[in-house]
Amino acid sequence: GAVVSQHPSRVICKSGTSVKIECRSLDFQATTMFWYRQFPKQSLMLMATSNEGSKATYEQGVEKDKFLINHASLTLSTLTVTSAHPEDSSFYICSARRIASGISNEQFFGPGTRLTVL
Amino acid sequence: KQEVTQIPAALSVPEGENLVLNCSFTDSTIYNLQWFRQDPGKGLTSLLLIQSSQREQTSGRLNPSLDKSSGRSTLYIAASQPGDSATYLCAVALKKLTFGKGITLSVRP
Repeated sequence: GAVVSQHPSRVICKSGTSVKIECRSLDFQATTMFWYRQFPKQSLMLMATSNEGSKATYEQGVEKDKFLINHASLTLSTLTVTSAHPEDSSFYICSARRIASGISNEQFFGPGTRLTVL
Repeated sequence: KQEVTQIPAALSVPEGENLVLNCSFTDSTIYNLQWFRQDPGKGLTSLLLIQSSQREQTSGRLNPSLDKSSGRSTLYIAASQPGDSATYLCAVALKKLTFGKGITLSVRP
């Protein structure tokens, strides 16, 4: 159990276009989903925390108008990179924390999406 | 601000060797600590979650430890195999997860 999927796994787009990435919890309901980005040989950096039915909470330095997050249901969150530029090229990973996770707060991670902006 | 450090950044060992991966963190106020494995170009696979209030549990050849007071965790890997080659990240949790940069392990046949 506790499987998280991401779609697409890889996307290449032209500068200026928008890209949507989906994150789904396949076999559990997630009240909270997280979006991270990872640059080569760097750690995962939390971009935003997404709560179902409410606005996302963005980390300092992350532009909320550029990285739009929608958590429409207990199994789906989407990240839209608007007007993408080459510097947005990165590996984007989502995670989900299921309802009634207790005190463990364990997060389950998706396989990631490689975004390349030309 | 919580900072997580993993040193060294890379480690190469011959097959069969036992090894220890280190993780240190600056703020001991944590709920738990997780160790993850990441293969090149892939997402994260959770290996172990250590609750701060519970005794660590062994998982096969993996044996973690956590010392909150000193801000340290280790992941002991017994009898390493080439298939263990990957990047190992630790992350500490309070309100959110804070990750280290990872240790890239290479096990030579």
